[in-house]
Amino acid sequence: SAVISQKPSRDICQRGTSLTIQCQVDSQVTMMFWYRQQPGQSLTLIATANQGSEATYESGFVIDKFPISRPNLTFSTLTVSNMSPEDSSIYLCSAGSGISYEQYFGPGTRLTVT
Amino acid sequence: QQQVKQSPQSLIVQKGGISIINCAYENTAFDYFPWYQQFPGKGPALLIAIRPDVSEKKEGRFTISFNKSAKQFSLHIMDSQPGDSATYFCAASLSGTYKYIFGTGTRLKVLA
Repeated sequence: SAVISQKPSRDICQRGTSLTIQCQVDSQVTMMFWYRQQPGQSLTLIATANQGSEATYESGFVIDKFPISRPNLTFSTLTVSNMSPEDSSIYLCSAGSGISYEQYFGPGTRLTVT
Repeated sequence: QQQVKQSPQSLIVQKGGISIINCAYENTAFDYFPWYQQFPGKGPALLIAIRPDVSEKKEGRFTISFNKSAKQFSLHIMDSQPGDSATYFCAASLSGTYKYIFGTGTRLKVLA
């Protein structure tokens, strides 16, 4: 299994600003993903963070709003740009070896936009 | 066709009882089915997972039952304990993609 940490754990941001969330894995992994979870709701996949190339976004999510970086096999960032109150959510990073289908999740970043 | 339907939405069980959560899917291209447990303020934790070539998998008090023909799978928690009180999510992964589609979640409460 992989141990995943995220920074920050929570933040309160002003409308129109941007926040970058960091995800660090304790071992090299092939697959990294970003999810969004509204409080009390299920998880929705935002994108797959690809090492050395552009992220692959799911329907309804675009690079201009959620730019993602993946500079190496243990680290990724998600930026939430030009935030509105509708972006208030929990953002989760997950990682998998790419050998098995198992994914391990970070503790999440709770974002509140005012 | 990409959905995973999960029921019930919430469940209350007496300590020592059996908790059963069900999931159903349509897309036969799903080939990996994990279950996650999430406590408030924490990320989901992988509990147990199954591939469609197996009808049942057991790990401790947790068992997955899988019915390929019915396209359904379920999580059974035996001897449920108050510490099991959490939200449980089923998920399915499309073959070759490693991407998960999650069910809507079940909030389990085990009464002491």
